[in-house]
Amino acid sequence: NAGVTQTPKFRVLKTGQSMTLLCAQDMNHEYMYWYRQDPGMGLRLIHYSVGEGTTAKGEVPDGYNVSRLKKQNFLLGLESAAPSQTSVYFCASTLLAGLDTQYFGPGTRLTVL
Amino acid sequence: GENVEQHPSTLSVQEGDSAVIKCTYSDSASNYFPWYKQELGKRPQLIIDIRSNVGEKKDQRIAVTLNKTAKHFSLHITETQPEDSAVYFCAARSKLQGAQKLVFGQGTRLTINP
Repeated sequence: NAGVTQTPKFRVLKTGQSMTLLCAQDMNHEYMYWYRQDPGMGLRLIHYSVGEGTTAKGEVPDGYNVSRLKKQNFLLGLESAAPSQTSVYFCASTLLAGLDTQYFGPGTRLTVL
Repeated sequence: GENVEQHPSTLSVQEGDSAVIKCTYSDSASNYFPWYKQELGKRPQLIIDIRSNVGEKKDQRIAVTLNKTAKHFSLHITETQPEDSAVYFCAARSKLQGAQKLVFGQGTRLTINP
């Protein structure tokens, strides 16, 4: 049981490039989330999903898109990366909203030059 | 929407002393308040949580208190040890667009001095 995993661990992009971050969980969780973590700002919700085939916007969705084609995977896409998107990205999952513990992935450190 | 404020942003205590971190929230409908610990370069991990029908919860050296009237909750760590050094985040569960999600505080960097 690997829990929540993220790919890649590190990435450097140039402004305007695109990339996709992959989050996978093997706990059969319904809810999945993408956060970004910046110094002094805590964890801010980008997008989330309440089940396979569904996605919704969080606090800071601009510049990102997501997809949840399979229950176990939640993809975060950057179509045209900007330096303001330099951050550490964490994926998390919860069995159901009412079962509250969120399990986090190990994070992806993204630098946009 | 929910807003969570966390203080202090940094805290330094002597080993063996107690540490207290405080959070306030704005949405009176929030009903679940977890605390996460994040060690350097690692993922956040849940250390304790409290629901709105409880005023205090304790787990060995850590405890959380909740004051619903004042809309604040606190993390208390007693007999601090070097391994308690980390960034701590509070959070409040709130509803956004019909689904319940966590809103996090800004974090407190706790340093335990030997």
